[in-house]
Amino acid sequence: EVQLVESGGGLVQPGRSLRLSCAASGFTFDDYAMHWVRQAPGKGLEWVSGISWNSGSIVYADSVKGRFTISRDNAKNSLYLQMNSLRVEDTALYYCAKDSTLGAGWPSGYNWFDPWGQGTLVTVSS
Amino acid sequence: NFMLTQPHSVSESPGKTVTISCTGSSGSIASNYVQWYQQRPGSAPTTVIYEDSQRPSGVPDRFSGSIDSSSNSASLTISGLKTEDEADYYCQSYDSSNLWVFGGGTKLTVL
Repeated sequence: EVQLVESGGGLVQPGRSLRLSCAASGFTFDDYAMHWVRQAPGKGLEWVSGISWNSGSIVYADSVKGRFTISRDNAKNSLYLQMNSLRVEDTALYYCAKDSTLGAGWPSGYNWFDPWGQGTLVTVSS
Repeated sequence: NFMLTQPHSVSESPGKTVTISCTGSSGSIASNYVQWYQQRPGSAPTTVIYEDSQRPSGVPDRFSGSIDSSSNSASLTISGLKTEDEADYYCQSYDSSNLWVFGGGTKLTVL
């Protein structure tokens, strides 16, 4: 069974940093791209960032570009999100999600999210 | 920016059929696959439809997906509604500029 367990969330002041982790199990981690998706309280889903299986391709949403850095450690079956210069509007539940598809040509319209972890809450407030 | 627009909420009675639409703002929605995710309160999203109309194993055949190129929209249809279907539903697709895009979500009430 695929399991994704996020950690590292918490309360942080605007302008500070936080690092999220996602521990993966139940599948061959280094076969798949991975993603971070967030959900602000009472709001919809927003894709944040994705990373290919070998870290060779990394993409970000415009809303976090230049502030967030995604990375992975295939030896540890782990995904990370380093969040710097945090803003109040970054407050959200952050989900780790496995990419749907094996194979070349990432990113593309053939890739989506399945499954998702349970999320870790990040609150940015003074 | 490419956007997907969903109705904010829909409601229907148990046993009935409901359809949730997802309209693309530009281009052809048929150019990239559309997925549908179900999110029950307090839970992470799960996939109910992928690649426009495919059902993951374990998702009942009461759930179906389709694409209508003439209206540039995708639809999720749930037949034989059950109270357990009450949830938020999100469509998702891909755009070469914005990459992965979600609709704003539709709250389904089964009453």
